[in-house]
Amino acid sequence: AQTVTQSQPEMSVQEAETVTLSCTYDTSESDYYLFWYKQPPSRQMILVIRQEAYKQQNATENRFSVNFQKAAKSFSLKISDSQLGDAAMYFCALRTGANSKLTFGKGITLSVRP
Amino acid sequence: NAGVTQTPKFRILKIGQSMTLQCTQDMNHNYMYWYRQDPGMGLKLIYYSVGAGITDKGEVPNGYNVSRSTTEDFPLRLELAAPSQTSVYFCATGATGGGSNQPQHFGDGTRLSIL
Repeated sequence: AQTVTQSQPEMSVQEAETVTLSCTYDTSESDYYLFWYKQPPSRQMILVIRQEAYKQQNATENRFSVNFQKAAKSFSLKISDSQLGDAAMYFCALRTGANSKLTFGKGITLSVRP
Repeated sequence: NAGVTQTPKFRILKIGQSMTLQCTQDMNHNYMYWYRQDPGMGLKLIYYSVGAGITDKGEVPNGYNVSRSTTEDFPLRLELAAPSQTSVYFCATGATGGGSNQPQHFGDGTRLSIL
């Protein structure tokens, strides 16, 4: 079975500062994918960034980047130059298996202080 | 481009009533999923389908049924609504199987309250 753990329920960051959201996971499979999704109050699930387990290079999407530590099974999200619109719930998710099922963490609520 | 459409967006049911949550997609994706999200929690997989005519149970299937007669539609049925099924329900689609980094695409969710 796969597990995803987000141990920080809430975090706060000052606008324009940098924040890192933590995520650890566990799987026995060697081929898997990791994702961060953003869920604003509108309830939409928005893909932020993705990482293939076989790639050593950390993924980057504009102000969002990850620190993927495969041996430690850690997948943290760094948000640079935080903006008010970044305030949302963030979910870490693990995809394994041929059926592409996602396993989600419990999420972390990020608030951005003006 | 509608993507993944869920209806209704909001519904209140009485205990013991039944209803069907609709999900339709226009992306021609083979894989479809139903998740539920309880307050303050992540999403949990209820059922999924890898193609028309094929469905399988996820992590929390009890109290639900699904069918997949076409590629586009994947309805979720609650036969005897219980308060424990109060949740937000998300439908999602995926283009391919495990060997791809393509993400799942989510609908906007259905908020269901059972009183």
